[in-house]
Amino acid sequence: SQKIEQNSEALNIQEGKTATLTCNYTNYSPAYLQWYRQDPGRGPVFLLLIRENEKEKRKERLKVTFDTTLKQSLFHITASQPADSATYLCALDISGGYNKLIFGAGTRLAVHP
Amino acid sequence: DTGVSQDPRHKITKRGQNVTFRCDPISEHNRLYWYRQTLGQGPEFLTYFQNEAQLEKSRLLSDRFSAERPKGSFSTLEIQRTEQGDSAMYLCASSRTGGVNTEAFFGQGTRLTVV
Repeated sequence: SQKIEQNSEALNIQEGKTATLTCNYTNYSPAYLQWYRQDPGRGPVFLLLIRENEKEKRKERLKVTFDTTLKQSLFHITASQPADSATYLCALDISGGYNKLIFGAGTRLAVHP
Repeated sequence: DTGVSQDPRHKITKRGQNVTFRCDPISEHNRLYWYRQTLGQGPEFLTYFQNEAQLEKSRLLSDRFSAERPKGSFSTLEIQRTEQGDSAMYLCASSRTGGVNTEAFFGQGTRLTVV
């Protein structure tokens, strides 16, 4: 069956450390993978998109890697801050770039001062 | 432009009633999507419009659900004969055309509670 798995347990880290979140998938071959942030009671907010032929993408303190052989994406937040505390969603674009997205359940990140 | 707007933000309804939600996308965006999200889960794709054409519907969208985008601008999602299992956050998103891999902008959602 097709599955997207993200760390189900909350990730607790100390301010200033690097947070690393994992997204594993099976039986999909997405051309694009996206990461979103979601705060309680609000809609997801787009963070980064990475294509299947890109190994790594960076934006400010964020870094995403995409390994299509391992079927895995890693999402890193460096120099984390309490304001980074949120749920982070991995989403596979299975429509060839037209934003029909299949989301994982998300990983809750808590950054402690 | 203030982004994707959804109305109402919250709706409580009795089982068996019909409800309608509205989504106003970002004005220059041709693509509009509806997703549903339950507690502890990621959003699930429901349907997708390009301009006024509904191009795809998920199997999750039963006969009780209908979505329209009559003039290619705002969209409505109607649920008839609501059931308790319809309780969820209904999210609308939009994105522009002009190529692939353009990001999707989500609204704040409409939280539906069926009692």
